[in-house]
Amino acid sequence: AQSVAQPEDQVNVAEGNPLTVKCTYSVSGNPYLFWYVQYPNRGLQFLLKYITGDNLVKGSYGFEAEFNKSQTSFHLKKPSALVSDSALYFCAVRDAAGGSYIPTFGRGTSLIVHP
Amino acid sequence: EAQVTQNPRYLITVTGKKLTVTCSQNMNHEYMSWYRQDPGLGLRQIYYSMNVEVTDKGDVPEGYKVSRKEKRNFPLILESPSPNQTSLYFCASSLMAGGPYEQYFGPGTRLTVT
Repeated sequence: AQSVAQPEDQVNVAEGNPLTVKCTYSVSGNPYLFWYVQYPNRGLQFLLKYITGDNLVKGSYGFEAEFNKSQTSFHLKKPSALVSDSALYFCAVRDAAGGSYIPTFGRGTSLIVHP
Repeated sequence: EAQVTQNPRYLITVTGKKLTVTCSQNMNHEYMSWYRQDPGLGLRQIYYSMNVEVTDKGDVPEGYKVSRKEKRNFPLILESPSPNQTSLYFCASSLMAGGPYEQYFGPGTRLTVT
């Protein structure tokens, strides 16, 4: 079975400071990992994904994520937050070993960037 | 422009009145899916389709129907809506089920059932 957890319902950060949104996962094989962002009144947009290889993945809007196999984590990061980054962020996982064709989404983390 | 479209974007209806929410994608994707989003519950999958004429239940299929007669379209049908189906609905598609393929989401349909 596959699962994903986003331990924080909300993350608050000041503009210009680095931000981290946490995600941990559980799969039986190797993971495919995804981050999506949802701005108010919009659908989810794909940010980045980890398939294999380099543990640091770079994505859209200056975001990056670090894959850590030993800690089964895939935290989303950005060196300098913008007020416009305020949104709802979802982590998703799919077990590359098969068993499920469908990704599992976390419950989402609300990121609030204060001016 | 590659996109997933949904209609209507907003819908207010009464209990028991059948409705259909349409979903269409122009990317020739094989996999399509419907989700509902509720506060505190995140995204929950309703139904999915791995290709034309192939559909299967997700986590919360009760009260919903789908069909996939054409590759591009995947309508969601509520034959007898109830107030507990008031929610924000998203359609999504990806190149294929499985594999490292990201999903593309529609803009959402906000449904209110009174």
